[in-house]
Amino acid sequence: AQSVAQPEDQVNVAEGNPLTVKCTYSVSGNPYLFWYVQYPNRGLQFLLKYITGDNLVKGSYGFEAEFNKSQTSFHLKKPSALVSDSALYFCAVRDQAGTALIFGKGTTLSVSS
Amino acid sequence: NAGVMQNPRHLVRRRGQEARLRCSPMKGHSHVYWYRQLPEEGLKFMVYLQKENIIDESGMPKERFSAEFPKEGPSILRIQQVVRGDSAAYFCASSPMTGTKDEQYFGPGTRLTVT
Repeated sequence: AQSVAQPEDQVNVAEGNPLTVKCTYSVSGNPYLFWYVQYPNRGLQFLLKYITGDNLVKGSYGFEAEFNKSQTSFHLKKPSALVSDSALYFCAVRDQAGTALIFGKGTTLSVSS
Repeated sequence: NAGVMQNPRHLVRRRGQEARLRCSPMKGHSHVYWYRQLPEEGLKFMVYLQKENIIDESGMPKERFSAEFPKEGPSILRIQQVVRGDSAAYFCASSPMTGTKDEQYFGPGTRLTVT
């Protein structure tokens, strides 16, 4: 069965420092991986996706993610965090049928000034 | 281009009542997905619909829950005889086509509270 794990419930970072939000996955076949961000009382906003090709994927708002097949990971990164990046981040993998997204439980990112 | 629209944004129902949640996909999108987010949990897939067809309802509870996406009008998620455990945020997403490569675009959600 496909699954996604986000091992950290919360990540705390000082503004200006690099941030990493971790995600590991378990799939059969090729993984199609996504990152979404959710602000309080809002829907999810798409950040980036990995389908194939370059292992480093660049997305919205300066975020990027590194796909590592051997470690089955897809960590979200940003070189310099902003206070406005504080939100709930979800990693997701597409299911085998290609319909549903399977989400991790989410990681709360808190960036302090 | 308006995004995915959901209404109402907040819905309060007493136990035993019916809840109807509406979703209008983005313009040009014919694929609709419903997800439920329980407190402290990630989103869980419920159902995937195209116009007039339910394609995948593997995540739908067997009883009290139903969904439709008519030829005209929004997609509707209907919960009959609501119970307190149905209290959650319900999100609708849409995509222009189905396929493993396509991201889904989410609406703002409907927060259902059952009293």
